[in-house]
Amino acid sequence: DIQMTQSPSTLSASVGDRVTITCRASQSISNWLAWYQQKPGKAPKLLIYKASSLESGVPSRFSGSGSGTEFTLTISSLQPDDFATYYCQQYDSLYSFGQGTKLEIK
Amino acid sequence: EVQLVESGGGLVQPGGSLRLSCAASGFTFSSYWMHWVRQAPGKGLVWVSRIYSDGSSTSYADSVKDRFSISRDNARNTLYLQMNSLRAEDTAVYYCARRAGSTSGHYAFDIWGQGTMVTVSS
Repeated sequence: DIQMTQSPSTLSASVGDRVTITCRASQSISNWLAWYQQKPGKAPKLLIYKASSLESGVPSRFSGSGSGTEFTLTISSLQPDDFATYYCQQYDSLYSFGQGTKLEIK
Repeated sequence: EVQLVESGGGLVQPGGSLRLSCAASGFTFSSYWMHWVRQAPGKGLVWVSRIYSDGSSTSYADSVKDRFSISRDNARNTLYLQMNSLRAEDTAVYYCARRAGSTSGHYAFDIWGQGTMVTVSS
């Protein structure tokens, strides 16, 4: 099974900050990686697929990069609506999620 | 509007059974692989099961294998999850999710339902 590890688990930041979340896979997954945003009591929302492709309707301040085993999600300038929990997911071999990164207001 | 709506959750005793449903609308259900994903209270997302668009193949997480069964009725645009021998650790919100179609060029989960809560407790 492929294990996904996100860091940090919690991130405190302010509106306007640039933030980066890292996701590492236990083995190479090429670019079969997605990022999701989840707000309390709501379903996850797809942000990024194939490591760096922006889902339709997602603001361009979100970007993804990486391939193989190391990936990043970057938010270029945090907006109030961005405070949420973010998950990476591999879909190279079955499916598995990272443990999540909670983005909090500083 | 593309939509997935889960139902069937509730309180069940350990060892009991429950069947979840996921009603799809706004897209050609029979063309898409479908998944179940769960989230225990305060915890992260865990993939549970997958079924091909025609129902010909299924896969399960080790934690639910031999206890859960995924199926679909393409005529009714509905996905199911039959859950047997339920344990306390199966307590979670269960989401159904659509895998993006082959024409999109990726296979992430692009549409999610709102979730249905399953509580296993005596």
